[in-house]
Amino acid sequence: QQQVKQSPQSLIVQKGGISIINCAYENTAFDYFPWYQQFPGKGPALLIAIRPDVSEKKEGRFTISFNKSAKQFSLHIMDSQPGDSATYFCAAAPYNQGGKLIFGQGTELSVKP
Amino acid sequence: EPEVTQTPSHQVTQMGQEVILRCVPISNHLYFYWYRQILGQKVEFLVSFYNNEISEKSEIFDDQFSVERPDGSNFTLKIRSTKLEDSAMYFCASRKDRAEAFFGQGTRLTVV
Repeated sequence: QQQVKQSPQSLIVQKGGISIINCAYENTAFDYFPWYQQFPGKGPALLIAIRPDVSEKKEGRFTISFNKSAKQFSLHIMDSQPGDSATYFCAAAPYNQGGKLIFGQGTELSVKP
Repeated sequence: EPEVTQTPSHQVTQMGQEVILRCVPISNHLYFYWYRQILGQKVEFLVSFYNNEISEKSEIFDDQFSVERPDGSNFTLKIRSTKLEDSAMYFCASRKDRAEAFFGQGTRLTVV
């Protein structure tokens, strides 16, 4: 019940295309859903996050879509660029319980020029 | 911009030796965490620390692990007797109340 399932494991997108990564969770106590971007040899960096009181959040080219009833959320990267090539992790946290993050398995995104 | 700082960036140690990984969280943050990432795998929670005590720990965080905040700025993870399977990237993270967690650059621990 603590798991966050992420797909796909890897993704190849052409420059200018849309990258879509999906996550699903089971624990209804989760109330904070961030996405992290990680480059090789670096720590995860927060990209965008959402709480379940909204169904969508957009920041620049990055959008989170959230479906509370389905317990799913996704990251859309519009106009994908080669510089977006990285590993993306979704995560979830029950914020009232100390805020530990449960991470998905990660998606390795490669944007081809 | 404030950041979480970790030292060393890479530590090589012999099996059975003790290691201490060090972190300087962002100064006004209240919650501190250690996570680890085995090569090619997901980031896994180890322990959370608030108000000078462990608030939660995972199954991975057994008696070989300990954390300490020895002064007002440092946050350390000690592994008493390292095993080969402890080889991983270890990330420190910190956050303010109900805000996003910021991660350090990590310490790559290699146990030989």
